[in-house]
Amino acid sequence: GQNIDQPTEMTATEGAIVQINCTYQTSGFNGLFWYQQHAGEAPTFLSYNVLDGLEEKGRFSSFLSRSKGYSYLLLKELQMKDSASYLCAVRDRNSSYKLIFGSGTRLLVRP
Amino acid sequence: GAVVSQHPSWVICKSGTSVKIECRSLDFQATTMFWYRQFPKQSLMLMATSNEGSKATYEQGVEKDKFLINHASLTLSTLTVTSAHPEDSSFYICSARGVEDSYEQYFGPGTRLTVT
Repeated sequence: GQNIDQPTEMTATEGAIVQINCTYQTSGFNGLFWYQQHAGEAPTFLSYNVLDGLEEKGRFSSFLSRSKGYSYLLLKELQMKDSASYLCAVRDRNSSYKLIFGSGTRLLVRP
Repeated sequence: GAVVSQHPSWVICKSGTSVKIECRSLDFQATTMFWYRQFPKQSLMLMATSNEGSKATYEQGVEKDKFLINHASLTLSTLTVTSAHPEDSSFYICSARGVEDSYEQYFGPGTRLTVT
């Protein structure tokens, strides 16, 4: 089976750094995605990791450890607009590349 | 970049009626489209995977006779919610995977369905 865990909610201060963790268990791992979703809107792609290590893209970085079934999304220099839900999703190579989503982490950025 | 549209963006219907939601890939051909449902403050739940020209593959617990999916072309998939009930009220989102893409799915803007 598949199981993806993320914290439900996090709060951070504008200008700070926040790390959102994701742990997963899946039989056909073929990549991990992070998406940002504002309320009432569709998810937008943030990052993709398929090999171990850190992928950096501007203020956002994503890390993957396949042996530990662990990933994190790092957001630097937080801005108020970063308040959103962050979804961790794992792709399953055994099933048409479908994405299995975690429950999402609601991040609140405070002034 | 790849763009996926959905129509309508929101719809209100009466209980017992059927509603059709369209998902289109505007500037690329999508071999596979996915349909998700999202209830308030919850994550996306995959309903079905549809491949052009073949029957959709439904996730466990999703009624295929209630949620009819058609993927007649490489740019269009439709989801029809038949005999809708208030509990079907949700945010429905489609995504598409292109022929050339190795990994990314492109999401549509979503359709808010309210059944009264």
